[in-house]
Amino acid sequence: QKEVEQNSGPLSVPEGAIASLNCTYSDRGSQSFFWYRQYSGKSPELIMFIYSNGDKEDGRFTAQLNKASQYVSLLIRDSQPSDSATYLCAVRDNQGGKLIFGQGTELSVKP
Amino acid sequence: DAGITQSPRYKITETGRQVTLMCHQTWSHSYMFWYRQDLGHGLRLIYYSAAADITDKGEVPDGYVVSRSKTENFPLTLESATRSQTSVYFCASSLGGSQPQHFGDGTRLSIL
Repeated sequence: QKEVEQNSGPLSVPEGAIASLNCTYSDRGSQSFFWYRQYSGKSPELIMFIYSNGDKEDGRFTAQLNKASQYVSLLIRDSQPSDSATYLCAVRDNQGGKLIFGQGTELSVKP
Repeated sequence: DAGITQSPRYKITETGRQVTLMCHQTWSHSYMFWYRQDLGHGLRLIYYSAAADITDKGEVPDGYVVSRSKTENFPLTLESATRSQTSVYFCASSLGGSQPQHFGDGTRLSIL
């Protein structure tokens, strides 16, 4: 059973701080990794995707991938109350393009 | 640009009834997916399709039927609804198998 693990939280950070969200996966052959944000009652929204080891930055968001250790993380700099949501990590299954989702980490940014 | 649309947004039905959830995308994406999301289980894949007339089972396919006669449409049918199928259903699509998936707004289905 291929698995994606996330700390369910809630993770609480003060406004302006860096939020760090982590995800580990079991399939060593995985090649594609995605972070989605989901507000309560809404659908998942793609934030970042990363395919290569290292860091990928997009505005206040940085995705970090370490395939040797089988983890992927998402850093949110200068966190805002509007960043309060559940963040879903997803790993592509090498068979057929399916995504395997973690349970999500709830982030709360306090003003 | 309509993107990906699901209908209905909300549905209440009774056990034993057949219900169909619709998904339509305007991006000409090859891949389409159906998920259900329940508290404590996260997002679980029901069925997916790599192209028209090609479908495959996901993690939780029992009790569901899909078809894909046209690239843009991917309906999900509950042939005889059960209370355990009460959930929020999301449709998603992607350009290719390795590309990011984009989600519709979801259908909240309640089965009484």
